[in-house]
Amino acid sequence: EAQVTQNPRYLITVTGKKLTVTCSQNMNHEYMSWYRQDPGLGLRQIYYSMNVEVTDKGDVPEGYKVSRKEKRNFPLILESPSPNQTSLYFCASSGRPRGVWSPLHFGNGTRLTVT
Amino acid sequence: KNEVEQSPQNLTAQEGEFITINCSYSVGISALHWLQQHPGGGIVSLFMLSSGKKKHGRLIATINIQEKHSSLHITASHPRDSAVYICAVSRDEKLTFGTGTRLTIIP
Repeated sequence: EAQVTQNPRYLITVTGKKLTVTCSQNMNHEYMSWYRQDPGLGLRQIYYSMNVEVTDKGDVPEGYKVSRKEKRNFPLILESPSPNQTSLYFCASSGRPRGVWSPLHFGNGTRLTVT
Repeated sequence: KNEVEQSPQNLTAQEGEFITINCSYSVGISALHWLQQHPGGGIVSLFMLSSGKKKHGRLIATINIQEKHSSLHITASHPRDSAVYICAVSRDEKLTFGTGTRLTIIP
């Protein structure tokens, strides 16, 4: 089954304790990206990746890191989480054959609380 | 002003009514996406458009590139259509989202 798998679904942590949210897709998609969703603000793009070792900032990259060492995986790293990073996070992928957009596939989301 | 504006923000309708949700954007785009998010949070892609019109079951999406406007229509609405509908535009590799339309269909 084609899917984007995000883990964990829920995460409660304390300020400053490094954490990683994993994202994996089994569709051989070139494009992967991370978003956060906050009430009243909607979804905002954090980082995206066009392919292995190619990443770039979205609209709200501060406080986040990503890496794309393999095509299927795109982890989101919070080196020193702060309470303002409490949010619902989504990973998504898209085929983008020859640079043309194809439908987005989303993970199930990770609800992060930083105390 | 947001790059992507959706209207209405909230919509309540009776089962069977014809529903229209609008999305206006202010930048040049390569594609427009309509997404559905049910309570509980999962997001599903409904349509991806770069021109014209697409139909899937009771759902129809249209886009007018010159007017920078897209509409999502639901015919014969049903309570299971209750969800948040989100418009997103892609420019190069970036995606920008509207804040969503919360649709409630009353039996």
